[in-house]
Amino acid sequence: EPEVTQTPSHQVTQMGQEVILRCVPISNHLYFYWYRQILGQKVEFLVSFYNNEISEKSEIFDDQFSVERPDGSNFTLKIRSTKLEDSAMYFCASRTSGANTGELFFGEGSRLTVL
Amino acid sequence: AQKVTQAQTEISVVEKEDVTLDCVYETRDTTYYLFWYKQPPSGELVFLIRRNSFDEQNEISGRYSWNFQKSTSSFNFTITASQVVDSAVYFCALARFGNEKLTFGTGTRLTIIP
Repeated sequence: EPEVTQTPSHQVTQMGQEVILRCVPISNHLYFYWYRQILGQKVEFLVSFYNNEISEKSEIFDDQFSVERPDGSNFTLKIRSTKLEDSAMYFCASRTSGANTGELFFGEGSRLTVL
Repeated sequence: AQKVTQAQTEISVVEKEDVTLDCVYETRDTTYYLFWYKQPPSGELVFLIRRNSFDEQNEISGRYSWNFQKSTSSFNFTITASQVVDSAVYFCALARFGNEKLTFGTGTRLTIIP
């Protein structure tokens, strides 16, 4: 069964360091997303991406964050200078153009720990 | 502003019991979507159902059923004859019509005791 894969599963970094989280969406999907979940809290929308550009972003997604689809298969989230409060589980998701809004396929997440 | 409230933080039931997970939402939009997602111990979020605000028909899928009541802004989820594999965190979510952003509730952790 096709799935969204994310790497790394867990990354530990020092405050101020750059981090790149990688995602391989399902191959025929056209819409891509990043969400995050701070431990024990709700899942929060970060950004949506379609046709090689950001279609929507939340107030969390400030200048420290960026997304890219560099090679037609990977979808990356970069945090330029990590803060302690960036510690969270980051989920990548994707959907086809034919799927209804919100019927997303999520990966298993990348846990980011900022020390 | 949109908001989703799942007042039940944790629920434990014995296997084969029925269980209902509550979801109450707030939105100023007249058209919107409601969702339920399941987060098993492996961590990924698994889509369960999507409802349009203009379709209040209840839905049943196997042991799962959903009760959507616009009058009370609720979208409750019932599992009949629960099984251990149903143990997970369940999230209710809301999206504006035509919008990509899902607003999630805080989730309900369901534990089914064998």
